[in-house]
Amino acid sequence: AQSVTQLDSQVPVFEEAPVELRCNYSSSVSVYLFWYVQYPNQGLQLLLKYLSGSTLVKGINGFEAEFNKSQTSFHLRKPSVHISDTAEYFCAVSLLLQGGKLIFGQGTELSVKP
Amino acid sequence: DAGVIQSPRHEVTEMGQEVTLRCKPISGHDYLFWYRQTMMRGLELLIYFNNNVPIDDSGMPEDRFSAKMPNASFSTLKIQPSEPRDSAVYFCASSHVLGSSYNEQFFGPGTRLTVL
Repeated sequence: AQSVTQLDSQVPVFEEAPVELRCNYSSSVSVYLFWYVQYPNQGLQLLLKYLSGSTLVKGINGFEAEFNKSQTSFHLRKPSVHISDTAEYFCAVSLLLQGGKLIFGQGTELSVKP
Repeated sequence: DAGVIQSPRHEVTEMGQEVTLRCKPISGHDYLFWYRQTMMRGLELLIYFNNNVPIDDSGMPEDRFSAKMPNASFSTLKIQPSEPRDSAVYFCASSHVLGSSYNEQFFGPGTRLTVL
């Protein structure tokens, strides 16, 4: 069975500082990996995804993530955060054969302070 | 495209009442997913459909929950009877199989359900 662990439930950071949100997954087969963002009172929006190819994936709003197969990680990074990045971030995995079924982590609440 | 549409956006009901949540997926999408989000359990997949057929309903918590997809543009999630522990935000999402876009799910804004 697949599972996703987001190691930090809350990450407070000051504006313009770098940030890393950590995600580890468990699976016996190859997976697809995703990061979604949820702004207050909204649905989830895809930030970026890894399906194959380059292990460094760039997404929207200046975010990027690196797939590390040996460490089964898919950490999300941004070199300089803005107040508007305050949101909840979800890491997710999917198997092709599951027809798009996503398994989500518990989420990390990113709080950017001035 | 208007995106995934959910209604109502907010629902307040009393314990024991029937609740029906509605979802209109993005046109052309062949997968539809229902999720529940709570503080305690996070995001849980309840059920998903492919071409209007339920594929996996293992996440449906109990027989009080049922979901249907009578056609490609409409799905319902029904709770009968509702209980206070069903209070949550319910999300609908849709996706389609097309090249590298496979598995990208587009989420609706959610329905916030409060059962008193």
